[in-house]
Amino acid sequence: GAVVSQHPSRVICKSGTSVKIECRSLDFQATTMFWYRQFPKQSLMLMATSNEGSKATYEQGVEKDKFLINHASLTLSTLTVTSAHPEDSSFYICSANRDRGDYGYTFGSGTRLTVV
Amino acid sequence: KQEVTQIPAALSVPEGENLVLNCSFTDSAIYNLQWFRQDPGKGLTSLLLIQSSQREQTSGRLNASLDKSSGRSTLYIAASQPGDSATYLCAVLSQAGTALIFGKGTTLSVSS
Repeated sequence: GAVVSQHPSRVICKSGTSVKIECRSLDFQATTMFWYRQFPKQSLMLMATSNEGSKATYEQGVEKDKFLINHASLTLSTLTVTSAHPEDSSFYICSANRDRGDYGYTFGSGTRLTVV
Repeated sequence: KQEVTQIPAALSVPEGENLVLNCSFTDSAIYNLQWFRQDPGKGLTSLLLIQSSQREQTSGRLNASLDKSSGRSTLYIAASQPGDSATYLCAVLSQAGTALIFGKGTTLSVSS
């Protein structure tokens, strides 16, 4: 199979603090991982593509200094929400695939971030 | 730019009904299309993956079709059950892309 683990599942933080979310591919190596954001009753919006050993590629409108992505190994990508504010409260979910698409994409269980 | 649309946005049916969820995409140059299920507050569970060269895929009571030339896919659910209640998402991987592009989903409610 292809399993993606994401932690934490829920986090509440104070405004101004930073939060790190981890995404791990458990049984395969992923040179590329993807980070999405989902607002209530909305679709998943691609935030950035995480590339192992190089800089992430951010979608238009996503602040790269706000959402720091690190992909230091073939099985781990992290998303850090820096200086979080209430408007950053959302559902964040990561994804990876074993190859370009022949086996489909697997998603983590998501992280519900609440900034108070 | 690829855009994915799902109709209807919401659907309520009694248990036992057969139903069809629709997905359309604007750029027919796709690599594959994937249907997911999402329960409230949860991640995504992959249901079916259709490669661009395929016309349909089946898994249990689920059948997904793909008409690439017209930019459409349907997800057919047979003999619906209350446990099928969830949001169903259609996602497309374009030939030129690396990430999935999602529709807004269809929220299905099956009553017993």
